[in-house]
Amino acid sequence: ETGVTQTPRHLVMGMTNKKSLKCEQHLGHNAMYWYKQSAKKPLELMFVYSLEERVENNSVPSRFSPECPNSSHLFLHLHTLQPEDSALYLCASSQVVGTGNTIYFGEGSWLTVV
Amino acid sequence: GESVGLHLPTLSVQEGDNSIINCAYSNSASDYFIWYKQESGKGPQFIIDIRSNMDKRQGQRVTVLLNKTVKHLSLQIAATQPGDSAVYFCAENGVILTGGGNKLTFGTGTQLKVEL
Repeated sequence: ETGVTQTPRHLVMGMTNKKSLKCEQHLGHNAMYWYKQSAKKPLELMFVYSLEERVENNSVPSRFSPECPNSSHLFLHLHTLQPEDSALYLCASSQVVGTGNTIYFGEGSWLTVV
Repeated sequence: GESVGLHLPTLSVQEGDNSIINCAYSNSASDYFIWYKQESGKGPQFIIDIRSNMDKRQGQRVTVLLNKTVKHLSLQIAATQPGDSAVYFCAENGVILTGGGNKLTFGTGTQLKVEL
């Protein structure tokens, strides 16, 4: 149990589908993140929310749409994805204040686009 | 650009031996580093961190060494066990985003294989 819970753990979707990934953190943090992990590539930062405001959008295509309704929940809405979007999507959280605040990850959502 | 990288993609050790996983970074301004362990099918798990004002930090069976002169970081695992088999990432965490939050930079990781 990492304190960061992601659902679903596995998702298969067609290119015309609309789905969402959900993340909930139980650590009392106030920053949340979405990362993408593809085979043989470093983790890629997608989005950062700090105090429920988006502070980073790392050149992510608009077919990925994040939502942070409160400091404990984060969503990633998916629509008209491409097969190359298949990857492990990791949610993470941390405290906002100060450098060196450790980022804690969830177990990830495995996404397959067919 | 700046990068954080690992020297070897795979490291094989015998059970009971000590493991050393290395990491090089290029940003001399980096002041905080984290080691993560990622088991198959799971998310990265925090192991240990170190700040640039330290050169060594110890945890349970793990030690991180930081050499700022050569911009090198290492993770030492004592008495390696089968459960230590995983991919290990070092990450540099020195960027504070406008509005808050941290921006980790990861390398591709080292696969540690423990042989019985």
